[in-house]
Amino acid sequence: ETGVTQSPTHLIKTRGQQVTLRCSSQSGHNTVSWYQQALGQGPQFIFQYYREEENGRGNFPPRFSGLQFPNYSSELNVNALELDDSALYLCASSPNIGQINTGELFFGEGSRLTVL
Amino acid sequence: DQQVKQNSPSLSVQEGRISILNCDYTNSMFDYFLWYKKYPAEGPTFLISISSIKDKNEDGRFTVFLNKSAKHLSLHIVPSQPGDSAVYFCAASGGSNYKLTFGKGTLLTVNP
Repeated sequence: ETGVTQSPTHLIKTRGQQVTLRCSSQSGHNTVSWYQQALGQGPQFIFQYYREEENGRGNFPPRFSGLQFPNYSSELNVNALELDDSALYLCASSPNIGQINTGELFFGEGSRLTVL
Repeated sequence: DQQVKQNSPSLSVQEGRISILNCDYTNSMFDYFLWYKKYPAEGPTFLISISSIKDKNEDGRFTVFLNKSAKHLSLHIVPSQPGDSAVYFCAASGGSNYKLTFGKGTLLTVNP
């Protein structure tokens, strides 16, 4: 139990639609990161927010966007869904950005998105 | 371009024996290395880390070894227990970049 909760846990969309995934960080954590884990792959960094500002982005197109709210909860939005967007989307929070490198990054259980 | 590689998709060991999971990396800028464990239907959980200024870090049954010249690290689990059965991910990060780059994972099965 990491204290990071994600919703929804599972969802099915069709190609071209838009999706919003939500993440509630562990209390007191000011950094949230989003990762995409495709089948048979390791998690891949999408982007990270530190105190409501984007602080780094991976190799994902602009149709992947996010927000971090004042209470440090977060959203991941994906527009114009493609079949390859089918994956497990993991949210992770950290008490402070500098502690990520020493393992202070706590993952939620993920939202499994299927695009048909 | 896969910067962190785990070349063994799976590993099977007997309970009580040693499990050795391997990881190679290509980016010389990485200065922190981490291992995560993932059970089905759960998010990855942190296991152990090592910074590039060290060559060994130990935590109970888990030891991580880093060979910077070979760009190789390994996770040793001694003794292995059935509850250790999970997917193990190697991850790395570098400099002021706080993103983690993960390998594809190794499925460890510890047989009773």
